Amino acid sequence: SQTIHQWPATLVQPVGSPLSLECTVEGTSNPNLYWYRQAAGRGLQLLFYSVGIGQISSEVPQNLSASRPQDRQFILSSKKLLLSDSGFYLCAWRTPHGYTFGSGTRLTVV
Amino acid sequence: QKEVEQNSGPLSVPEGAIASLNCTYSDRVSQSFFWYRQYSGKSPELIMSIYSNGDKEDGRFTAQLNKASQYVSLLIRDSQPSDSATYLCAVSGGSARQLTFGSGTQLTVLP
Repeated sequence: SQTIHQWPATLVQPVGSPLSLECTVEGTSNPNLYWYRQAAGRGLQLLFYSVGIGQISSEVPQNLSASRPQDRQFILSSKKLLLSDSGFYLCAWRTPHGYTFGSGTRLTVV
Repeated sequence: QKEVEQNSGPLSVPEGAIASLNCTYSDRVSQSFFWYRQYSGKSPELIMSIYSNGDKEDGRFTAQLNKASQYVSLLIRDSQPSDSATYLCAVSGGSARQLTFGSGTQLTVLP
């Protein structure tokens, strides 16, 4: 079956600390993968997307980066977190039936 | 800049009524349109997709698309308290067919 995994579920990090969020998909090959962020009470903002290994496109210049080291793995990173990086981070995968989201990571930067 | 606009709400309807959610989009070449439901603290869940003009029905949900007017809507018939959530309209476009989301409409169904 096709599934998408995202971890951790919640994270509290101090300002200036690094970040690594991981997303993996199962049951497919060469998927289009996306990272979105949702600030409290807001809509979803596209951060990065990838159409293949090593291929990353950035939608919004900011303190974050993304990598795709393997076909079914998509990683969101930061070297030094800012307070404004707090939010709900969602990985998504484009399927033939629409887009499926992971369960998300709620990041609080303190 | 591609934009997707939704009535921010909140929208309240009594149980058993029809809830109507609306969405407009700016990019005329958009081809795919989606409605997601998001419960508080959870990730969005796909409930409807529509690709051509007209209506598409799935159970109590009907999506309507009018590309000439750049308008998408979602009707929920026989609304239930469990339908209370934020509904996100999303439009697909771009080289990787990435989704652009509206800000969402919060729906409350009153028992």
